[in-house]
Amino acid sequence: QVQLVQSGAEVKKPGASVKVSCKGSGYTFTGFYLHWVRQAPGQGLEWMGWINPDSDDTQVGENFQGRVTMTRDTSINTAYMEMTRLTSDDTAVYYCARVDLVVGWSFDAWGQGSLITVSS
Amino acid sequence: QSALTQPASVSGSPGQSITISCTGTSSDVGGYNYVSWYQQFPGKAPKLILYEVRNRPSGVPHRFSGSKSGNTASLTISGLQAEDEADYYCSSYTTSSSRVFGTGTKVTVL
Repeated sequence: QVQLVQSGAEVKKPGASVKVSCKGSGYTFTGFYLHWVRQAPGQGLEWMGWINPDSDDTQVGENFQGRVTMTRDTSINTAYMEMTRLTSDDTAVYYCARVDLVVGWSFDAWGQGSLITVSS
Repeated sequence: QSALTQPASVSGSPGQSITISCTGTSSDVGGYNYVSWYQQFPGKAPKLILYEVRNRPSGVPHRFSGSKSGNTASLTISGLQAEDEADYYCSSYTTSSSRVFGTGTKVTVL
């Protein structure tokens, strides 16, 4: 079955960087775009951007441009989201989600989430 | 890109029907039929329950249905059940190939 397994929780200091991983299994990793979505405590979902694991093309949402980089390593079926210059406002659960044309480009599979806490 | 607008909360008794609206613009909801809905329980990842406005993935109960008129999409839960108590989010494809989510709606079963 399709699975996205993310890296574990991390605590970072303000100004630091974090890199979250998302390993896909049960499907052809290069055949589906992966998106990143975050959710601050008690808040809603916020779209961050996507990566095409086949071409390495990316699109980062305007709220994150200049701070977020999305990469992938096809040899280990893993995508990464790196965020720099962290502030307390970046404390959130970060999800990766697969997009499938068969279900209208919607997010049909999600990782379990990675809690990133930014605190001094 | 501003978030799509949803009511903060909706409630209903078991067996009743409720509807959650999701209002955007002609650049997102109104411009594409790529509107999807997600159900999220506390501490869990979201789950896809509707795609392309009204289509249900395999395994999603028929009591979940969707529609769209202009810049507003809607999710209806018919025959509300206790297990439907959760947060619900809409999402839309937008111009420039990005995505946007709704503000989220907490559904309470009375």
